Amino acid sequence: RKEVEQDPGPFNVPEGATVAFNCTYSNSASQSFFWYRQDCRKEPKLLMSVYSSGNEDGRFTAQLNRASQYISLLIRDSKLSDSATYLCVVNRDDKIIFGKGTRLHILP
Amino acid sequence: EAQVTQNPRYLITVTGKKLTVTCSQNMNHEYMSWYRQDPGLGLRQIYYSMNVEATDKGDVPEGYKVSRKEKRNFPLILESPSPNQTSLYFCASSLAPPQGSDEQYFGPGTRLTVT
Repeated sequence: RKEVEQDPGPFNVPEGATVAFNCTYSNSASQSFFWYRQDCRKEPKLLMSVYSSGNEDGRFTAQLNRASQYISLLIRDSKLSDSATYLCVVNRDDKIIFGKGTRLHILP
Repeated sequence: EAQVTQNPRYLITVTGKKLTVTCSQNMNHEYMSWYRQDPGLGLRQIYYSMNVEATDKGDVPEGYKVSRKEKRNFPLILESPSPNQTSLYFCASSLAPPQGSDEQYFGPGTRLTVT
C-alpha cells in the first residue's frame, strides 16, 4: 500500500461547481499535511497547510481527520483557473511524501 | 527576489557520462531536497539535507549523489547516468525541517533525457 494515496482522476467539473478531493495516508506517525497545486509540468506550489481544526482560504477549505488518516480539500465556486493537479503532501520524520496527485479539469 | 534556481533546465546526455544539476536558494533555508517526477509515479524524494554537511537518502537514492558544502547550494550528481534516470527533476527548499508547517519552495525543474 502506498503511504499517501489519492484518486488520480481526472475530475471534469463544470465551472461554478463544488468539488472535493480526499487523500489517505497510512503512517499514523505523520506529522504535518499540505495541499500543493501543480500546473502542467511546472513546479508545485503550496496551496494550503492542513490543520486538525480545519482551515479555509477563500474558496478553498482543507480538513484533517487523524483518526481516519485522511485529509480533504474542498473547492467552492470552481473557476477555469482551478484546472491543475492537486498534490497531497505528508511530512513524516525528516521526509516529505507526495501523493501522485489528482487532476482537475474545470469545464466552461 | 526569493527563489530556488536550477541549472540546466533541459539536458540531453548519453549513458555513462557524468553530470551535475545545480540547485541554489537565496532564502537562507536549512532544508533542501531533490525529487524526480515520472508519469504515473508522482514526485519521489531522492535525497534531502537538513543543513550543511548533513544529507540523507530519500525514497529513490540509487544512482544519485548529493553534497551540501554551503547552505545555499545542493547539487545533484549522476556519476553514470542510465536511461531509467530520464525524468523531470525538482529541487526544493524550506526554512526548517519538515516536521513543522513550513512551505517548500520549488525550483523550475530540470528535464533530463539519457539516451
